[in-house]
Amino acid sequence: KQEVTQIPAALSVPEGENLVLNCSFTDSAIYNLQWFRQDPGKGLTSLLLIQSSQREQTSGRLNASLDKSSGRSTLYIAASQPGDSATYLCAGGTSYGKLTFGQGTILTVHP
Amino acid sequence: GAVVSQHPSWVICKSGTSVKIECRSLDFQATTMFWYRQFPKQSLMLMATSNEGSKATYEQGVEKDKFLINHASLTLSTLTVTSAHPEDSSFYICRGVSDRSDGYTFGSGTRLTVV
Repeated sequence: KQEVTQIPAALSVPEGENLVLNCSFTDSAIYNLQWFRQDPGKGLTSLLLIQSSQREQTSGRLNASLDKSSGRSTLYIAASQPGDSATYLCAGGTSYGKLTFGQGTILTVHP
Repeated sequence: GAVVSQHPSWVICKSGTSVKIECRSLDFQATTMFWYRQFPKQSLMLMATSNEGSKATYEQGVEKDKFLINHASLTLSTLTVTSAHPEDSSFYICRGVSDRSDGYTFGSGTRLTVV
């Protein structure tokens, strides 16, 4: 059974700082790894999807890596902005679409 | 792109009543629908997986008689919370998956409050 853990649970940084969010998973036979953003009281916004054959994906200021052998993924956010404040969730996916979520990292970027 | 429309976005109901949540896939056929629940300040937990035309598969600890899932068509899946209690108050969100590798998306979620 896949288990996903995210560290840290919460993070507060000043605007402009580069930061890294960590995600670990127990089953290395992962099909894909996804990062989502969730604003308070809202649904999920997909940020990046990394297939099991890939090592990383980039979108704007976001870069996500995947290391299946160590069971880890990281989300790197460059030049953080107050608008980046949200909860960030990672999820391990199976070939038939099932996602197992981590507990999330609550990010606060203060001006 | 693929869109799942979820309604209602929020609902308040009295204890003992039933509430139905609908998820419609607007421009793709959702062969599978996943239903998640999220309690305040917690992550999303999978409740059940439903495939069109067959009975839903529930995760351990989820009462199938309390959370009725219907997936009668490729574009509509419903979750009915029966005899709701305050502890059922949560954020419920669906996710539709199609046979196409890029055909999956989350609904916008439903905030249920039972008073």
